[in-house]
Amino acid sequence: DAKTTQPNSMESNEEEPVHLPCNHSTISGTDYIHWYRQLPSQGPEYVIHGLTSNVNNRMASLAIAEDRKSSTLILHRATLRDAAVYYCILRDVGTNAGKSTFGDGTTLTVKP
Amino acid sequence: NAGVTQTPKFQVLKTGQSMTLQCAQDMNHEYMSWYRQDPGMGLRLIHYSVGAGITDQGEVPNGYNVSRSTTEDFPLRLLSAAPSQTSVYFCASSSRQPNEKLFFGSGTQLSVL
Repeated sequence: DAKTTQPNSMESNEEEPVHLPCNHSTISGTDYIHWYRQLPSQGPEYVIHGLTSNVNNRMASLAIAEDRKSSTLILHRATLRDAAVYYCILRDVGTNAGKSTFGDGTTLTVKP
Repeated sequence: NAGVTQTPKFQVLKTGQSMTLQCAQDMNHEYMSWYRQDPGMGLRLIHYSVGAGITDQGEVPNGYNVSRSTTEDFPLRLLSAAPSQTSVYFCASSSRQPNEKLFFGSGTQLSVL
């Protein structure tokens, strides 16, 4: 199973952009890259996902490297409510999609 | 639309007791899974299911049993609770498509004394 590697923690100032990196050097051609975040005392929630092309939604942007071995979650203007643990995971086709594993994620601290 | 519902929200057990954590989803999702999260740590996969009658082990299956008799429900059983099983447990569900998102329940905080 392809695994992901993320920095343990990152800091940002409020209203500044944040770039959260994720390495997935053993990614397969059919793996989708998903990002989730977990606010304190809550279950994880979906943020964004992509396969090959960069993606934007109302929460964030996802930049995927051309070789797909890394990706970056971009929060354009961090707010205090964005302080959370961010997880990057891979989801494959078939029954492997049921076996989604998470690492320890990146803890984002946003300073006012 | 309730999504993924976990019960109970909190539970305290004594060592050796048994209990079942309930998880139900109303989205007709084929895939369901259980995770545990220890303080300050990430989520670790306990067991998962890709459909009714089909379950498999995840990263940390020891001490836990599961079964999936219906699409909607995926209970997690602790047969003989141990203090090492003190954790927050999350249930998740999704469709079989890898480009569809995972939906998580709000968690069950379990303490084993």
